[in-house]
Amino acid sequence: QVQLQESGPGLVKPSETLSLTCTVAGYSISSGSYWGWIRQPPGKGLEWIGNIYHSGNSYYNPSLKSRVTISVDTSKNHLSLKLRSVTAADAAVYYCARDPGGGWSDFWGQGTLVTVSS
Amino acid sequence: EVVMTQSPATLSVSPGERATLSCRASQSIRDNLAWYQQKPGQAPRLLIFGASTRATGIPARLSGSGSGTEFTLTISSLQSEDFAVYYCQQYNIWPYTFGQGTKLEI
Repeated sequence: QVQLQESGPGLVKPSETLSLTCTVAGYSISSGSYWGWIRQPPGKGLEWIGNIYHSGNSYYNPSLKSRVTISVDTSKNHLSLKLRSVTAADAAVYYCARDPGGGWSDFWGQGTLVTVSS
Repeated sequence: EVVMTQSPATLSVSPGERATLSCRASQSIRDNLAWYQQKPGQAPRLLIFGASTRATGIPARLSGSGSGTEFTLTISSLQSEDFAVYYCQQYNIWPYTFGQGTKLEI
């Protein structure tokens, strides 16, 4: 069973960088699959942030591309998200998820709530 | 970007009845569509991919259909655990996009 767990600060100040880590258990990232970050503002819908392949090839939502970096560390079996220059609009529950290669996400982390406030 | 529109926003149905949820894409996405269920405080759960293929462990009373721009998720004989928010997601064109969700309530 593939398990994902997000971690990182729950509070980020405006204009600073949001940094999250997703640790994967039960599956080696280097074995393949795509790995993605999706977010959900409180009470709202889902937004895809970006995907990364185990090789490091990444794809970002154009709406966030200028501020986002997703990376993968196969030695630690985790992926990371960095979102720069955050504003209140970036407050959300952030999920990491596995895409087995078809475009859908079959395993998700439980999500981590990030608040943006000074 | 492909805009996904779900209807209705809220669907009120009684246990044991049938529910039909709709999802429309702003352009053809072939059959590159997934459905997810989300309950309060939980991550989305994959139900359907490829427009009609049930994910592992999903009961046969859930079925998906459609292709191109019009898609449907049907839940026959609703059970208490089915009351949740349902999202469709297209993965034909990057960026992947979700519909705004349909809340299925008792």
